[in-house]
Amino acid sequence: GNSVTQMEGPVTLSEEAFLTINCTYTATGYPSLFWYVQYPGEGLQLLLKATKADDKGSNKGFEATYRKETTSFHLEKGSVQVSDSAVYFCALDSNSGYALNFGKGTSLLVTP
Amino acid sequence: KAGVTQTPRYLIKTRGQQVTLSCSPISGHRSVSWYQQTPGQGLQFLFEYFSETQRNKGNFPGRFSGRQFSNSRSEMNVSTLELGDSALYLCASSLNPAGDTDTQYFGPGTRLTVL
Repeated sequence: GNSVTQMEGPVTLSEEAFLTINCTYTATGYPSLFWYVQYPGEGLQLLLKATKADDKGSNKGFEATYRKETTSFHLEKGSVQVSDSAVYFCALDSNSGYALNFGKGTSLLVTP
Repeated sequence: KAGVTQTPRYLIKTRGQQVTLSCSPISGHRSVSWYQQTPGQGLQFLFEYFSETQRNKGNFPGRFSGRQFSNSRSEMNVSTLELGDSALYLCASSLNPAGDTDTQYFGPGTRLTVL
C-alpha cells in the first residue's frame, strides 16, 4: 500500500540554519502529500500540502514540492527559529481511501 | 471557527476495563477519523466515519470500535484494555464528501494510560 519514508532524526540545528527533512513515498496513483507538525503535548497541525505533481506547498516559511520523478516531498525552510522545534510528519493518502499513512516523524530541535 | 475537540484529555484505566473517547469535529465537517499514536508504532489509522457510516477501518482488533452520531460527533470505544493500548488517540475531521482524502484537521488528542 501507499507509504512514506522520512529521515528519523533527531535533527539539531542552530537558529537561522537551513532545514531539510527528507520524505520519499511509494504509491499507486497520484496521492495528495502532506506535512504535519506536532508541538510538545499537542495534536497534529497541518503545515502544508500538495495535491499533484510539481505543486509546491508553503506555509510559515516552510516549503515542499511534489516531485513525481523522484517520488519525494522534502520539507525545507531557509532560516529556522527556536519556535520551530517540534516533530514533523510526512503523510499521504492511503490507497484504501479516507485515511492518511504517516511517516515515523522527524524530531527537530533548534538551539539559540 | 472552533477546532476539533476531544474529551477527556487524559485518562487512566486498568487492564480489562473499557473506555470511551469523544470527538467533536469542526462545524460543518462530516468526516471523522481516529488514529492511535505510540512511540513504537507511530501514527496508525483506526477508522473513519462519514454520515454515521464507517467507510474505512485500519488493522486493529475488534476490541476497538467507533460510531458517529447524526451531529457528526464521534466516539471510539476500547474494550478489555491491554497495557499496549496506552497511547495518544487523535481524532481528525474533514469535509471529505467523497473520493480522495481531504485535508484532515486534528484535535489535541486523548492520552490513555493503561495500568
